[in-house]
Amino acid sequence: AQSVTQPDIHITVSEGASLELRCNYSYGATPYLFWYVQSPGQGLQLLLKYFSGDTLVQGIKGFEAEFKRSQSSFNLRKPSVHRSDAAEYFCAASGGYNKLIFGAGTRLAVHP
Amino acid sequence: ETGVTQSPTHLIKTRGQQVTLRCSSQSGHNTVSWYQQALGQGPQFIFQYYREEENGRGNFPPRFSGLQFPNYSSELNVNALELDDSALYLCSMASDTDTQYFGPGTRLTVL
Repeated sequence: AQSVTQPDIHITVSEGASLELRCNYSYGATPYLFWYVQSPGQGLQLLLKYFSGDTLVQGIKGFEAEFKRSQSSFNLRKPSVHRSDAAEYFCAASGGYNKLIFGAGTRLAVHP
Repeated sequence: ETGVTQSPTHLIKTRGQQVTLRCSSQSGHNTVSWYQQALGQGPQFIFQYYREEENGRGNFPPRFSGLQFPNYSSELNVNALELDDSALYLCSMASDTDTQYFGPGTRLTVL
């Protein structure tokens, strides 16, 4: 069955520290991969996406993600976290402009 | 700002009632999808419409139905509301770019 797993439910980092959010997928073929961010009470904002090509993808707000086929992973990274990055982050996969399968999300807290 | 709007923002209904949620976009997105996000969970796919035809459905009962109009706006209808239908309902729109852009959602509370 197709699935997306985000192993970390909550992560707390200090402001200015680096961040890595983990995402693993199980799919029949290499899916399209996405990271979305959701602030409290808000919809989902697209951070970045991977369709094919370069496995290191740059997104908005200083985020990047690396696709690793051998590990079925698409981890999100940021070198220096700001307090405004506190939110919930969702990894998602799809087979095209088709249904998105989401992970359960990782809630990020940032300490000053 | 994705340009995708949803109405209403919040809604309170009682069990057994029916509800209609709406989604629209200023851009010519021809594909609309609806998702249900229960508290503390990731969004779950309900169904997708492409050029006014249903184009895929998730594991939701028939009392969840939808429409897409010629201007590509969309409605989600839920009949015979149950307590477990309380959730944030998100719609997303896409054109042929394989990227879905989400609206702010409608928070439905069923009492």
